[in-house]
Amino acid sequence: QSALTQPASVSGSPGQSITISCTGTSSDVGGYNYVSWYQQHPGKAPKLMIYDVSNRPSGVSNRFSGSRSGNTASLTISGLQAEDEADYYCSSYRSSSTLYVFGTGTKVTVL
Amino acid sequence: EVQLVESGGGLVQPGGSLRLSCAASTFTFSTYNMNWVRQAPGKGLEWVSYISSRSSTIYYADSVKGRFTISRDNAKNSLYLQMNSLRDEDTAVYYCARDLGYTYGSDYWGQGTLVTVSS
Repeated sequence: QSALTQPASVSGSPGQSITISCTGTSSDVGGYNYVSWYQQHPGKAPKLMIYDVSNRPSGVSNRFSGSRSGNTASLTISGLQAEDEADYYCSSYRSSSTLYVFGTGTKVTVL
Repeated sequence: EVQLVESGGGLVQPGGSLRLSCAASTFTFSTYNMNWVRQAPGKGLEWVSYISSRSSTIYYADSVKGRFTISRDNAKNSLYLQMNSLRDEDTAVYYCARDLGYTYGSDYWGQGTLVTVSS
């Protein structure tokens, strides 16, 4: 039951844009429009930032956007702010005896 | 505001059992699918189990299949995770999370409860 692959860390300066990738297979990321992204600050519960590849829940800043190309999904944070420094995880529905799979996680650092 | 409050975590010896609970409030619990997700210390998120709103569909991660049992009591607005044959690698913070309902993904999470498996 392998996890989706994310870069361990991504960094950027305030105001810049960064992109986090999430690579899976045709059985998960590439096969269904069910990719989600979560933000997690230290010691806190995860927060849903994107669902269904590119949809933002109510209350989430439009600086966060999602997309997908083939088996790789991406989360872009534009106008990077200090408060965006956190861990980010992708997740996808997977067509198997299990249901969900998470990514390995990416630590975002605001320089 | 949706509230999910986990309880039941603690220290248990390898091979032991523990039952986690998640109390839901301020939403119609009986109409939502629910999940358990865990996070080992310093590690990433790992999905553990899913149960549909009426308990008709259940899934488990391979790592817990045959050892953990998810259940719910809609009359009590509660979600449960019975964990048996616990191993060191089950040590983690366990979160309950509410599914969006009309698609996949979890929109609300509890604060988590820590399970430590150690002799």
